Amino acid sequence: GNSVTQMEGPVTLSEEAFLTINCTYTATGYPSLFWYVQYPGEGLQLLLKATKADDKGSNKGFEATYRKETTSFHLEKGSVQVSDSAVYFCALFDNYGQNFVFGPGTRLSVLP
Amino acid sequence: NAGVTQTPKFQVLKTGQSMTLQCAQDMNHNSMYWYRQDPGMGLRLIYYSASEGTTDKGEVPNGYNVSRLNKREFSLRLESAAPSQTSVYFCASSEVGGGEQFFGPGTRLTVL
Repeated sequence: GNSVTQMEGPVTLSEEAFLTINCTYTATGYPSLFWYVQYPGEGLQLLLKATKADDKGSNKGFEATYRKETTSFHLEKGSVQVSDSAVYFCALFDNYGQNFVFGPGTRLSVLP
Repeated sequence: NAGVTQTPKFQVLKTGQSMTLQCAQDMNHNSMYWYRQDPGMGLRLIYYSASEGTTDKGEVPNGYNVSRLNKREFSLRLESAAPSQTSVYFCASSEVGGGEQFFGPGTRLTVL
């Protein structure tokens, strides 16, 4: 079946540090890939997405590239801010089963 | 636009009690979803409704029922609550399957 694996957290960084959160997936077809962010006490919000191989999604300084050969969609940001502290979820949409599958989430804490 | 709203925000039940979680969206979306979020497990799909009048089981449907009352509203019912159903429940909607999902703020449910 479909699955999403993310690096375990929590991840703690200093402000302006470089961020990478790894995400790999298993899917039967060619899924769409997403990163969602959850701030404390809130629901999830879409951060970025990519719908086909080699697409790059970007938003608010975050980027992720759909790598079909390595089945990966790693999230990166060049310089994190305290306000980026949140839980980040990698997810895929299975176009055959019409279902979203979420990873377990990675908690990021950015210290001033 | 309120987006996706959920009621209640918090609920405590005793084992065996029943309750209904309400969800409504004002974005004229076709698809609606119910997820539960448990520590270390990300979001798991309970039920979804691809369009008004249809509902389908997700990954963890046991112990739950749903009703797509109209295009706006999608309720989740626990007929006989169990401690294993202690979780945070999120409702989401999207214009079409595979599109960006918009999440509600969540309902934190504790079953004693």
